[in-house]
Amino acid sequence: ETAVFQTPNYHVTQVGNEVSFNCKQTLGHDTMYWYKQDSKKLLKIMFSYNNKQLIVNETVPRRFSPQSSDKAHLNLRIKSVEPEDSAVYLCASSLDWGASQNTLYFGAGTRLSVL
Amino acid sequence: GDSVTQTEGLVTLTEGLPVMLNCTYQTIYSNPFLFWYVHYLNESPRLLLKSSTDNKRTEHQGFHATLHKSSSSFHLQKSSAQLSDSALYYCALAGNYKYVFGAGTRLKVIA
Repeated sequence: ETAVFQTPNYHVTQVGNEVSFNCKQTLGHDTMYWYKQDSKKLLKIMFSYNNKQLIVNETVPRRFSPQSSDKAHLNLRIKSVEPEDSAVYLCASSLDWGASQNTLYFGAGTRLSVL
Repeated sequence: GDSVTQTEGLVTLTEGLPVMLNCTYQTIYSNPFLFWYVHYLNESPRLLLKSSTDNKRTEHQGFHATLHKSSSSFHLQKSSAQLSDSALYYCALAGNYKYVFGAGTRLKVIA
């Protein structure tokens, strides 16, 4: 049963455009994440939010900016996309921050293609 | 820093043969959790199984894994592969406020 919802499923755009992706979780979790799955299927953490506060910001270009209005929503904006941004962006949530036994619950992903 | 190594990028098996996907890790954290996530095509990645207990077998949906802290390993096994097992499998380590994923192993089961 899906509990982490991402929109859109796919997005095709041109270099230099701005894009926004949305994520909502209905699990009542405190913590949400954005991951990037690249063409080699490597999963890299981009951002971690706990109770709508940014906790972790990995080495991500400044054109990426996450936004959280409440703990159930975490959006991602990319200002001026570049070809290397083509990837699947996966949103995930976990019960809370810091407990190593927490399972990650993923959305289905947003596939971005930059032409 | 922490790391997870999955040595096989692609494993191709004939249906009915046993599955073993390798996972080793490095961490300074004394009590890490190890996970296997499975990502089927056009679906969300989801948890397959997890463990933090040394030398205890963990099972789910026909798959099993045992955490061996002495060798820093958490290999995923199944006695008999099915066509429906074809997917991308990620091993992951969690400890000290951080999740680290391996590079993933694509399992392809053929008839």
